[in-house]
Amino acid sequence: KAGVTQTPRYLIKTRGQQVTLSCSPISGHRSVSWYQQTPGQGLQFLFEYFSETQRNKGNFPGRFSGRQFSNSRSEMNVSTLELGDSALYLCASSLGDDTYEQYFGPGTRLTVT
Amino acid sequence: AQTVTQSQPEMSVQEAETVTLSCTYDTSESDYYLFWYKQPPSRQMILVIRQEAYKQQNATENRFSVNFQKAAKSFSLKISDSQLGDAAMYFCAYRRIPYAGGTSYGKLTFGQGTILTVHP
Repeated sequence: KAGVTQTPRYLIKTRGQQVTLSCSPISGHRSVSWYQQTPGQGLQFLFEYFSETQRNKGNFPGRFSGRQFSNSRSEMNVSTLELGDSALYLCASSLGDDTYEQYFGPGTRLTVT
Repeated sequence: AQTVTQSQPEMSVQEAETVTLSCTYDTSESDYYLFWYKQPPSRQMILVIRQEAYKQQNATENRFSVNFQKAAKSFSLKISDSQLGDAAMYFCAYRRIPYAGGTSYGKLTFGQGTILTVHP
């Protein structure tokens, strides 16, 4: 079974631009969670989607948004990029409600210049 | 809010020796999950071991075992017979039990991580 995939793997954007990152979960997994990883703040939870619905959201500004499609693939969008948005963005998938194991993708390394 | 603390930014161990990584957490919940994740350099994060808080027995997975002290809110990871491939950043993580209508779905709260170096 294929693992969690994320595209693109690397991205360079300019301050003020917007960016969309994609995550394809493991087949059969309906929950996708997103995390931001930086050296200073560590790993921080962005949001979680299940069956196209956002069920949980972390403490990030409204510039960070996401969505999930009917095939469970998820995208996150960051608008009006700031230098501080440079980070490794990880997504993780799980079966859903009663399971707690999350399987992580390789991440998208976003650099904002 | 739940917090997870890893007080050892870096640890090192000789190959074939044993090392213990520390983790403490703070929560008012009585039931939850705890995890150790491993993130090798430039590679993706993988789950090493998990512990359900309601289980008194410490979890073990081959060379990896935990010492779960619920009252002390401590969750340490012991790696026995360390191998070069164990070198990585290790994260301790906490997750509340999700319930219908709640807001704990999907959220893992991570510690700051411990970089483990394995010397041949």
